[in-house]
Amino acid sequence: ELKVEQNPLFLSMQEGKNYTIYCNYSTTSDRLYWYRQDPGKSLESLFVLLSNGAVKQEGRLMASLDTKARLSTLHITAAVHDLSATYFCAVSRGIGGGADGLTFGKGTHLIIQP
Amino acid sequence: GAGVSQSPRYKVAKRGQDVALRCDPISGHVSLFWYQQALGQGPEFLTYFQNEAQLDKSGLPSDRFFAERPEGSVSTLKIQRTQQEDSAVYLCASSWGQGEAFFGQGTRLTVV
Repeated sequence: ELKVEQNPLFLSMQEGKNYTIYCNYSTTSDRLYWYRQDPGKSLESLFVLLSNGAVKQEGRLMASLDTKARLSTLHITAAVHDLSATYFCAVSRGIGGGADGLTFGKGTHLIIQP
Repeated sequence: GAGVSQSPRYKVAKRGQDVALRCDPISGHVSLFWYQQALGQGPEFLTYFQNEAQLDKSGLPSDRFFAERPEGSVSTLKIQRTQQEDSAVYLCASSWGQGEAFFGQGTRLTVV
């Protein structure tokens, strides 16, 4: 059974600081996603990582994937308040490239304080 | 449409009542997924369709849950004899084949 674990689950940090969220998964998968969710809202796709060593960056967020270690990281650089949200990683359940659904982590609730 | 549309946005049901939740996927998307998200948790997979075929329903928590997509477009998730533990946000997502899935706003179900 595919399991996805994120840590930390809660993170409070100051603006301007850097931090990393970790996502471990238990079985081989061919696709990993990072999503952002604001309170009461749906999921916004941030990154799709397809291969070992993949690195993607968007603004202050950078995601990477190590398929051998079954580990992905989401790094936040010089955090700003607008990045406060819950971040989920999700892994495709099969080999269908996500077309057969995703298994999500519990999420990291991130609060960035001035 | 421009995105995945779900209705109603909010539903309050009395315990034992049947409910039906609707999902309108993005036009042309062949894959459609339902997820259940409990408060403070990540979404959990319920079921998925490819066109009108329900290819995986392993995540449905009990036989009170039923989903259909008869014409390969709109989908309905039905919950019979609702229980308090069914209270959650139900998310629908759609994708074109193996592409990225786009999520709707969800239906928040509260069973009282």
